[in-house]
Amino acid sequence: EAGVTQFPSHSVIEKGQTVTLRCDPISGHDNLYWYRRVMGKEIKFLLHFVKESKQDESGMPNNRFLAERTGGTYSTLKVQPAELEDSGVYFCASSQERGLFGTEQFFGPGTRLTVL
Amino acid sequence: DAKTTQPTSMDCAEGRAANLPCNHSTISGNEYVYWYRQIHSQGPQYIIHGLKNNETNEMASLIITEDRKSSTLILPHATLRDTAVYYCIVIARNQGAQKLVFGQGTRLTINP
Repeated sequence: EAGVTQFPSHSVIEKGQTVTLRCDPISGHDNLYWYRRVMGKEIKFLLHFVKESKQDESGMPNNRFLAERTGGTYSTLKVQPAELEDSGVYFCASSQERGLFGTEQFFGPGTRLTVL
Repeated sequence: DAKTTQPTSMDCAEGRAANLPCNHSTISGNEYVYWYRQIHSQGPQYIIHGLKNNETNEMASLIITEDRKSSTLILPHATLRDTAVYYCIVIARNQGAQKLVFGQGTRLTINP
């Protein structure tokens, strides 16, 4: 079974440019999460999709970030315009809700974003 | 979700058992203890979780005290590949799938 995949693995852009990150969750997983780790900080939650609906977007830092999950399959996270402080590693995770029997999240390898 | 406290770093010799403690003194009855780890340059990886009974899987064992205020993750025979940051996270399970709140974690170094 394929795991969570993310594309690209690395992205280097200049301040003010736009970048779109993609996440393909494990097939059949309704829950999809975005997290990020900026330099020297802890991994922080950004948002959570259940199928195509945003369940929780409390972690989105500002309106320069836009996440979509059309059709409830893959998701994209667009940063427009990118700022220096957006540099970090962006992780995607997915899980399949199984009631009280555990909803371990499976993480992708991350996209390392560098804004110059 | 209850806050957790972990040591910043630990060392363990290869082949020995690594015991990683976690305090969660404010844990409530519907909250589970989850452990994840992040090996350098990889995404976090689920290890194990439990409510009140001790749990074991192919990766590790989880020992939760009777009062549930603390727990210990045990890697029975640590290898160099177990060097990682380990996160103890408390999650309320009756609220469905939820975000993970990562703290600083414990940086475990396995020494040859």
